[in-house]
Amino acid sequence: AQSVTQLDSHVSVSEGTPVLLRCNYSSSYSPSLFWYVQHPNKGLQLLLKYTSAATLVKGINGFEAEFKKSETSFHLTKPSAHMSDAAEYFCVVASWGYQKVTFGTGTKLQVIP
Amino acid sequence: NAGVTQTPKFQVLKTGQSMTLQCAQDMNHEYMSWYRQDPGMGLRLIHYSVGAGITDQGEVPNGYNVSRSTTEDFPLRLLSAAPSQTSVYFCASSYAGDGRGNTEAFFGQGTRLTVV
Repeated sequence: AQSVTQLDSHVSVSEGTPVLLRCNYSSSYSPSLFWYVQHPNKGLQLLLKYTSAATLVKGINGFEAEFKKSETSFHLTKPSAHMSDAAEYFCVVASWGYQKVTFGTGTKLQVIP
Repeated sequence: NAGVTQTPKFQVLKTGQSMTLQCAQDMNHEYMSWYRQDPGMGLRLIHYSVGAGITDQGEVPNGYNVSRSTTEDFPLRLLSAAPSQTSVYFCASSYAGDGRGNTEAFFGQGTRLTVV
């Protein structure tokens, strides 16, 4: 069994300040972990993924996430928010063969000018 | 490179009507899947396929059928539409990777379905 918990449904930050979107997971297997972003009325775009290599993963647009097995967390961060980062972000756990895929409920990021 | 293409983008159905949502990918991916996205619930897996001729149920399969006759196409059929099926539907494809799930999914742009 596996599950994903995104701890905040909404996060609001000022432009130029750091972003932290929190994700905790549970999985019976060694999971692959992903962050996807969805801009309004768009499909989902992969931001980054963890697949048992380096625990600090760098993604597109300055985002990064750190896999912490002891805390079962995979939080998404960015040092400085940009207006274009306003979107909904999904944390995803996927087990072997990508046949077991569980999405978090999403975190909407608002960036205030 | 088209990636994953979904049609139509928008659809309004009357209760009881049937329809097929189309999904095609040109990346020769083994895995394809359908999700529905509802507010506050993230994406939930409806059906998936690990290759041509092989399909299986996901978390919320009731009211939907799928088939996979080719690697490229994975249509989703609504048998008798109900208002509860109003949602945004996403198709995704992924490759097998190294057999340990080291892969990623590519998503279509979505189909916004309203059942009245």
